[in-house]
Amino acid sequence: EAQVTQNPRYLITVTGKKLTVTCSQNMNHEYMSWYRQDPGLGLRQIYYSMNVEVTDKGDVPEGYKVSRKEKRNFPLILESPSPNQTSLYFCASRPAGSGYTFGSGTRLTVV
Amino acid sequence: GESVGLHLPTLSVQEGDNSIINCAYSNSASDYFIWYKQESGKGPQFIIDIRSNMDKRQGQRVTVLLNKTVKHLSLQIAATQPGDSAVYFCAENGLGGFKTIFGAGTRLFVKA
Repeated sequence: EAQVTQNPRYLITVTGKKLTVTCSQNMNHEYMSWYRQDPGLGLRQIYYSMNVEVTDKGDVPEGYKVSRKEKRNFPLILESPSPNQTSLYFCASRPAGSGYTFGSGTRLTVV
Repeated sequence: GESVGLHLPTLSVQEGDNSIINCAYSNSASDYFIWYKQESGKGPQFIIDIRSNMDKRQGQRVTVLLNKTVKHLSLQIAATQPGDSAVYFCAENGLGGFKTIFGAGTRLFVKA
């Protein structure tokens, strides 16, 4: 089944403890992206990647890192999480010139 | 699109009626537009797309209209069903297609 898989689905962590949210797609898509979704603020792009080793900042990149060492994987790294990063995170992938396929989301709480 | 706060625009329709959801996009250089549907507890799901060289595109029970003059996009759902209840987002890709920007969303309620 063609899909975007992100893990974990739910995560509660403490301020400052580094974490990684994994994302993998099995559709050989060139583009991958991370979004966060907050009440009242909609979906905001954190980082995106156009292909292996090619990434760029979205609208809200502060406090996040990404890497794209392989085409299928696009992990999101929070080096020192803070409470304002509590959010619902979505990974997505797409081929050039088409819309995104989204993962099921990761609900992160930073206390 | 701009956030409208915690209260999303809401559209309530009777089952079987047609629904029209509107969206104003921000960048006149955007050349590709997409509508997504997000059900509770799930990620957004692609519904239909349209390129800037078109003004109308039809899918199964859905039609997207694009008016570039006023930077307006609409999604029409024919014979709305309870399963159509969700939040609907429009999204735009700028030239180069690297960044996808989402609108604030509209919540559709379908009354049985």
